Amino acid sequence: KAGVTQTPRYLIKTRGQQVTLSCSPISGHRSVSWYQQTPGQGLQFLFEYFSETQRNKGNFPGRFSGRQFSNSRSEMNVSTLELGDSALYLCASSPLSGYEQYFGPGTRLTVT
Amino acid sequence: QKEVEQNSGPLSVPEGAIASLNCTYSDRVSQSFFWYRQYSGKSPELIMSIYSNGDKEDGRFTAQLNKASQYVSLLIRDSQPSDSATYLCAVNGGGGATNKLIFGTGTLLAVQP
Repeated sequence: KAGVTQTPRYLIKTRGQQVTLSCSPISGHRSVSWYQQTPGQGLQFLFEYFSETQRNKGNFPGRFSGRQFSNSRSEMNVSTLELGDSALYLCASSPLSGYEQYFGPGTRLTVT
Repeated sequence: QKEVEQNSGPLSVPEGAIASLNCTYSDRVSQSFFWYRQYSGKSPELIMSIYSNGDKEDGRFTAQLNKASQYVSLLIRDSQPSDSATYLCAVNGGGGATNKLIFGTGTLLAVQP
């Protein structure tokens, strides 16, 4: 089975711009979660989608949003980028609630 | 108090020794617990999951869970230099109803040849 894929792998944006990241889960997995990893804050939960519905949201500003499509693929969007948004953005997929999650390779976002 | 706590290390062990990694969590309703390994510049890789009290073994890895003490540990037997990485403890923060994982800051393990 193919693993979780994320595109693009690297991205450089300017402060104030917006960005959209994409995640394709493992085939058959209906849950997709997004995380932000930074050296200072570690791995932090952004939000989770299950069957196209946002089921849980972390403590991030409204500039961070996401959605899930009927084929379980998910996108996250960050608007009005700030320097502090520079991070590794990871998505993880899971077949069930409370079950194992498998991470994609991540998208490295740099905001200048 | 942080929700998931780990000793940041580095934990240095000689090749062939047992590495012991520890994690405590604060939310008593947590039901799912995971250990991830992350090499520098890579994404986290799931190595162990544990859901009930006791030990769970998989090859050289053993996860131990004690819900009464809110404690999870990972033992790596016969440590190899390739095991050198950051080990992240993760706890499901939704009581099983969601997939929100709360991560510790990770323990850096260095296996000396």
